[in-house]
Amino acid sequence: NAGVTQTPKFQVLKTGQSMTLQCAQDMNHNSMYWYRQDPGMGLRLIYYSASEGTTDKGEVPNGYNASRLNKREFSLRLESAAPSQTSVYFCASTPSGTETKKLFFGSGTQLSVL
Amino acid sequence: AQRVTQPEKLLSVFKGAPVELKCNYSYSGSPELFWYVQYSRQRLQLLLRHISRESIKGFTADLNKGETSFHLKKPFAQEEDSAMYYCALSGRGFQKLVFGTGTRLLVSP
Repeated sequence: NAGVTQTPKFQVLKTGQSMTLQCAQDMNHNSMYWYRQDPGMGLRLIYYSASEGTTDKGEVPNGYNASRLNKREFSLRLESAAPSQTSVYFCASTPSGTETKKLFFGSGTQLSVL
Repeated sequence: AQRVTQPEKLLSVFKGAPVELKCNYSYSGSPELFWYVQYSRQRLQLLLRHISRESIKGFTADLNKGETSFHLKKPFAQEEDSAMYYCALSGRGFQKLVFGTGTRLLVSP
């Protein structure tokens, strides 16, 4: 059981380049999230998808776009990368019902923008 | 607005000493509070939540609505408790989780 899978694990971009972070979960969870983790800032929510077909902005959405491709997959796109987007990105998912808000995290994508 | 404050970036204790990781929150409604933990080279994972009133790995946390706190406690720290701990807050119903800045716990032998 893979859980939440993120690709790539590492990426180096030049300023202005674009890329898409991929996330897939095999637990049939309804909700999915993208967080970034920065030293001293904790985890901050970028985008989330409460259910298949919906996408909403979190705390720090500027410079990103997200797509809920289907129930399994939730991608995060950087259209024009900036050094301020250097971070570790985590995808997470949650089921519905009483287990809502128990986040299952991926292993993270370490992104450096030069 | 939801806000979670973890005042300590680093907490260093010796094995066998008591541990208290502080978490204060700001929320106008009825909150749900959580502690998440990230061990070295492992994924971030749920440690415990106030609704369950459980003890996991010897850790407990009590929601104090008067003091708006949800401190994480363990009477006798172990070296394997060394990790990054995040306090998180959500409202009732579907609400996204807001995380604090985290506290790194270092337990020395």
